[in-house]
Amino acid sequence: GENVEQHPSTLSVQEGDSAVIKCTYSDSASNYFPWYKQELGKRPQLIIDIRSNVGEKKDQRIAVTLNKTAKHFSLHITETQPEDSAVYFCAASNGGNNRLAFGKGNQVVVIP
Amino acid sequence: SAVISQKPSRDICQRGTSLTIQCQVDSQVTMMFWYRQQPGQSLTLIATANQGSEATYESGFVIDKFPISRPNLTFSTLTVSNMSPEDSSIYLCSVVGRVDEQFFGPGTRLTVL
Repeated sequence: GENVEQHPSTLSVQEGDSAVIKCTYSDSASNYFPWYKQELGKRPQLIIDIRSNVGEKKDQRIAVTLNKTAKHFSLHITETQPEDSAVYFCAASNGGNNRLAFGKGNQVVVIP
Repeated sequence: SAVISQKPSRDICQRGTSLTIQCQVDSQVTMMFWYRQQPGQSLTLIATANQGSEATYESGFVIDKFPISRPNLTFSTLTVSNMSPEDSSIYLCSVVGRVDEQFFGPGTRLTVL
């Protein structure tokens, strides 16, 4: 089955700087890659996703890039703010069955 | 996106007992899943809840331990049977909305003593 690895496990950034989280996946059949943000005590929230027919997608301060050849995708957060502090999970699925395999998560801490 | 609710939101149970968790969606959805999130960990898929047929379980999860019902396109239940402290986790249902987007319920925080 799909194996998703996520690096680094913890990331501390100064407010206003950029944060980048990288994930790798193993199954070349995976074609859907969402990112979730989970604040303490809350449910995971879908923040952005990308499909395998696209190399990059942006939504305001967040962007995701996908390298199908290398089987990795990354989340980019620009102009970080304290409210960006959370755990971020990447995931992958074969869109045909929607079964998501999650990475272990990254704790992002934005220092004011 | 769909509004998803779960009951109970949390519970404390004794070992050896069973707990049934409900997931209700405010619109009909084809795909519904159950996940487990152990303390400080990531999410692990337990099973796909199939409407009108038996659930499809992931490796490491079995029907006797986690029976699932899906009587219609808006509702599902997950039972955690014969509980042990290792079952202490957050259990979340999820639904697939428009074009693969998956949304999670608020979760049920289970503590087994």
